Amino acid sequence: QQQVKQSPQSLIVQKGGISIINCAYENTAFDYFPWYQQFPGKGPALLIAIRPDVSEKKEGRFTISFNKSAKQFSLHIMDSQPGDSATYFCAGGDDQTGANNLFFGTGTRLTVIP
Amino acid sequence: GAGVSQSPSNKVTEKGKDVELRCDPISGHTALYWYRQRLGQGLEFLIYFQGNSAPDKSGLPSDRFSAERTGESVSTLTIQRTQQEDSAVYLCASSDPEGRGNNEQFFGPGTRLTVL
Repeated sequence: QQQVKQSPQSLIVQKGGISIINCAYENTAFDYFPWYQQFPGKGPALLIAIRPDVSEKKEGRFTISFNKSAKQFSLHIMDSQPGDSATYFCAGGDDQTGANNLFFGTGTRLTVIP
Repeated sequence: GAGVSQSPSNKVTEKGKDVELRCDPISGHTALYWYRQRLGQGLEFLIYFQGNSAPDKSGLPSDRFSAERTGESVSTLTIQRTQQEDSAVYLCASSDPEGRGNNEQFFGPGTRLTVL
């Protein structure tokens, strides 16, 4: 059972364009939503994260939009660059119970064309 | 400081053999996770260790899979009688639940396992 659903599976964007990746979650206990970036041959690395007390978080060209009522969140990459080409994973986690587990989406392979 | 390290980086084995994969977490991180990533797929949770608590083994796919952790340091993931469907990258991550940014998991580079 996939607790976090992610789309699209792959995405091709022209340099300078906006990349948008969407995720939806089921578990209303989730209170932490990170995005991880993974380059080929490397482990995933935290890119940006949000908690449900805010609807948007921006760090440089990366923005998370969060819709608590719809149980959806998305990653927007502005002015996409070829160096952003990677696989992106969203995740949801429940920090309150101390379980500290993250449930990951299936990933989106982003290709930014020069 | 040093990140999460894993060894070996690559492992090729024959079907039916046992393999051991090692993870060295970031020093001081009490939480340690193992994930499996099949080619082109997402991260599949396998097992989670937190301090001296009983590990959460809910993600282990079969009784051929087991993992141990010595205190709050090294962990070993063992796969017995390997099958071809075990071929994947096995990722280890650690985190510091008590620290600032307590949910962030730091991943190692993974071990690519190929079962022939």
